[in-house]
Amino acid sequence: DGGITQSPKYLFRKEGQNVTLSCEQNLNHDAMYWYRQDPGQGLRLIYYSQIVNDFQKGDIAEGYSVSREKKESFPLTVTSAQKNPTAFYLCASSLFLGGSRSTEAFFGQGTRLTVV
Amino acid sequence: KQEVTQIPAALSVPEGENLVLNCSFTDSAIYNLQWFRQDPGKGLTSLLLIQSSQREQTSGRLNASLDKSSGRSTLYIAASQPGDSATYLCAVRHVGPNDYKLSFGAGTTVTVRA
Repeated sequence: DGGITQSPKYLFRKEGQNVTLSCEQNLNHDAMYWYRQDPGQGLRLIYYSQIVNDFQKGDIAEGYSVSREKKESFPLTVTSAQKNPTAFYLCASSLFLGGSRSTEAFFGQGTRLTVV
Repeated sequence: KQEVTQIPAALSVPEGENLVLNCSFTDSAIYNLQWFRQDPGKGLTSLLLIQSSQREQTSGRLNASLDKSSGRSTLYIAASQPGDSATYLCAVRHVGPNDYKLSFGAGTTVTVRA
């Protein structure tokens, strides 16, 4: 069954702690993305990756880091430098990054991160 | 900068009524527009993708139109059912150096009353 798997579903972070959100896809997609969703707002792009070992900052990358060591995996680390990390985090992937042949983006089920 | 707006923010209709959801965007130079559904606490489910060269796409009770020149898309859901209750988001992929990005609207939350 092809898709995107995010884990954990819920995550709690203490002040000053780094936490890592997992994202795995078996769709053989090249591009992967991390978005943040806050109540009443549209999704905002944190990081994206076109290919293995390459990634670029999105609109709100401060306080976050990523890696892309495998095509299937794109983990997101929320560092202690992120001052307001409580949000819903969504991972996405697409087959073709851009241009007139761009394809659908598919999303995982999300991880809700709460600071305690 | 691309701005995507969805009006209204919330909508409540009786079962059986047709739904009309609006999406507008400020920069008409787009590659495609995608409609998503989001249930509470869940991820996004892709409903329809319209390429910039297309005027509409249909899937079952769903029909989405695109008027690129005026920066508008409309999602029609025929004969609404309580199971259609969800938040609907539109997103555009725009032409240019940032064409990797999807710009999202804030969504329209739909309630279908039984």
